[in-house]
Amino acid sequence: SAVISQKPSRDICQRGTSLTIQCQVDSQVTMMFWYRQQPGQSLTLIATANQGSEATYESGFVIDKFPISRPNLTFSTLTVSNMSPEDSSIYLCSVGKAGGSDTQYFGPGTRLTVL
Amino acid sequence: AQSVTQLDSQVPVFEEAPVELRCNYSSSVSVYLFWYVQYPNQGLQLLLKYLSGSTLVKGINGFEAEFNKSQTSFHLRKPSVHISDTAEYFCAVKGGTSYGKLTFGQGTILTVHP
Repeated sequence: SAVISQKPSRDICQRGTSLTIQCQVDSQVTMMFWYRQQPGQSLTLIATANQGSEATYESGFVIDKFPISRPNLTFSTLTVSNMSPEDSSIYLCSVGKAGGSDTQYFGPGTRLTVL
Repeated sequence: AQSVTQLDSQVPVFEEAPVELRCNYSSSVSVYLFWYVQYPNQGLQLLLKYLSGSTLVKGINGFEAEFNKSQTSFHLRKPSVHISDTAEYFCAVKGGTSYGKLTFGQGTILTVHP
């Protein structure tokens, strides 16, 4: 398994501002993912963070709203830009190795409230 | 594309009773199946996974699940639950063509009453 930490653990932000969430892993991993969990709902994949290239976004998510960085094999950031109350969610970082069967491990999440 | 349906949004049960949380999936390719648990205000923790081989898989905390290909199901069971099992449980699937992508069910909230 992997030990994953996220910063901040929670935040309350004003609409129109941006927040950058950090994800740090204790070992090198091939794959890093960002998920969103809206209140009372399941998890939805936002994007796959690729080391050394642009992130791969899922349908409904765009780079201008959710820019992602992946400078190395242990670290990634997700920015939630120009926030609105609809962005209030838990944002989770997940890691795994390449390959279809490998397990994904999740960070503790960042609980974001937008006023 | 894959999809996952968790048939019960909430399951109340008394302590020491058995429990089954139901999960059905659809996919046009072979899949890998996972159950995760989310305790209040925490991230997701892997309970168990099915990749191949024996269809009965055992996980942490006394949970087990059975993969049934003909019924496209992966139900989670525990013979005797404890108060500390109160949490939300997510079934997830990863298909052979979905490189790294997990598709989650809607979640089942298990509440164990004393």
